[in-house]
Amino acid sequence: DQQVKQNSPSLSVQEGRISILNCDYTNSMFDYFLWYKKYPAEGPTFLISISSIKDKNEDGRFTVFLNKSAKHLSLHIVPSQPGDSAVYFCAASYSGNTPLVFGKGTRLSVIA
Amino acid sequence: DTEVTQTPKHLVMGMTNKKSLKCEQHMGHRAMYWYKQKAKKPPELMFVYSYEKLSINESVPSRFSPECPNSSLLNLHLHALQPEDSALYLCASSHGLAGLVYEQYFGPGTRLTVT
Repeated sequence: DQQVKQNSPSLSVQEGRISILNCDYTNSMFDYFLWYKKYPAEGPTFLISISSIKDKNEDGRFTVFLNKSAKHLSLHIVPSQPGDSAVYFCAASYSGNTPLVFGKGTRLSVIA
Repeated sequence: DTEVTQTPKHLVMGMTNKKSLKCEQHMGHRAMYWYKQKAKKPPELMFVYSYEKLSINESVPSRFSPECPNSSLLNLHLHALQPEDSALYLCASSHGLAGLVYEQYFGPGTRLTVT
């Protein structure tokens, strides 16, 4: 049973526009969420995180929104740049430094 | 320095070989992880070391043997692997303080091919 779901395997966005990547989770114990970006043949790179006590966290062009009642989070990238083209993984954990549970990833293509 | 290094970058080994993957971090992190990632799939957790002790083994076959010689190093010893073990093996580390959650920082991975 997948506890973290990214239902869109891929997404294409024009350069300069907003990219919205979505993630749903089923385990209500999760209270910490992270987004990772992965280029081919490289390890995932941490992008941004959010704790369940917040509903929004922003870092430059990246904003993560959390809707606890819907068990849904999203990553907004604005403006999107060609260098943002990568696979984005959503991950979740709960207090106590438990291992991360990853979604299957969404491949973002930003078209110039 | 937020770097996790892994060697080798690529490894090709036969099913009767014994080899080791190495991982190193100098961020003072006390939790280290081994993941396996197949193409188009998310990373799958294999092992977690916390304060140099094995705390989680996700039912990994014994042909994979982890070792944590000290707080900065993590090894994965490989023996008698199968072709289906071919994958990208990722090492990660995090602060690992009990009761708190920290981001995991990943290394670039070792691309393993078993022939």
